[in-house]
Amino acid sequence: GAVVSQHPSRVICKSGTSVKIECRSLDFQATTMFWYRQFPKQSLMLMATSNEGSKATYEQGVEKDKFLINHASLTLSTLTVTSAHPEDSSFYICSARRGVGEAFFGQGTRLTVV
Amino acid sequence: GESVGLHLPTLSVQEGDNSIINCAYSNSASDYFIWYKQESGKGPQFIIDIRSNMDKRQGQRVTVLLNKTVKHLSLQIAATQPGDSAVYFCAENMGSGTYKYIFGTGTRLKVLA
Repeated sequence: GAVVSQHPSRVICKSGTSVKIECRSLDFQATTMFWYRQFPKQSLMLMATSNEGSKATYEQGVEKDKFLINHASLTLSTLTVTSAHPEDSSFYICSARRGVGEAFFGQGTRLTVV
Repeated sequence: GESVGLHLPTLSVQEGDNSIINCAYSNSASDYFIWYKQESGKGPQFIIDIRSNMDKRQGQRVTVLLNKTVKHLSLQIAATQPGDSAVYFCAENMGSGTYKYIFGTGTRLKVLA
């Protein structure tokens, strides 16, 4: 299957700083990438849909100024958590869709804000 | 809003038995469904998918059934193995060209030796 690489896998940052998470589709071009957030023992919550070359579409309740998404190329999307706070600590997962079929997921990034 | 939900949060099965994980969805416009497996600390892994014009699809040891009349999706795992222990999510594509996947609550499958 297609490979989606997410980096870093774990990151610890201080409260008030910003953190950038990268999502790359390694062997296919992804016109659309998705960013999810997952709390422990809960399901994945869609945060935003990222389309190459255009602004991301955010789900209701997700602060676009706090979670900056950039999809500069067909193989790379980034999520920047700005001015992170402890409540932003979570598991962030990206996925990339190839055409109209299945979406492939990255391995996730465990963010801990201290 | 509309969402996907699961009937059973935890399912324990004996090794070698068959497992059935259920999912109810509420969006009648959804046209594509996927089952994902997620192991602890990892991203979801694709298991099997089905389009809304089908009612059954089989893979290796897994079968997905779709009942559009009652908006129900199920995942059947044959001869469940210890490696099948994980959390399973159903996800629906909301259709109408949205290309968004909405995930259900998740079911934890525990395989007993």
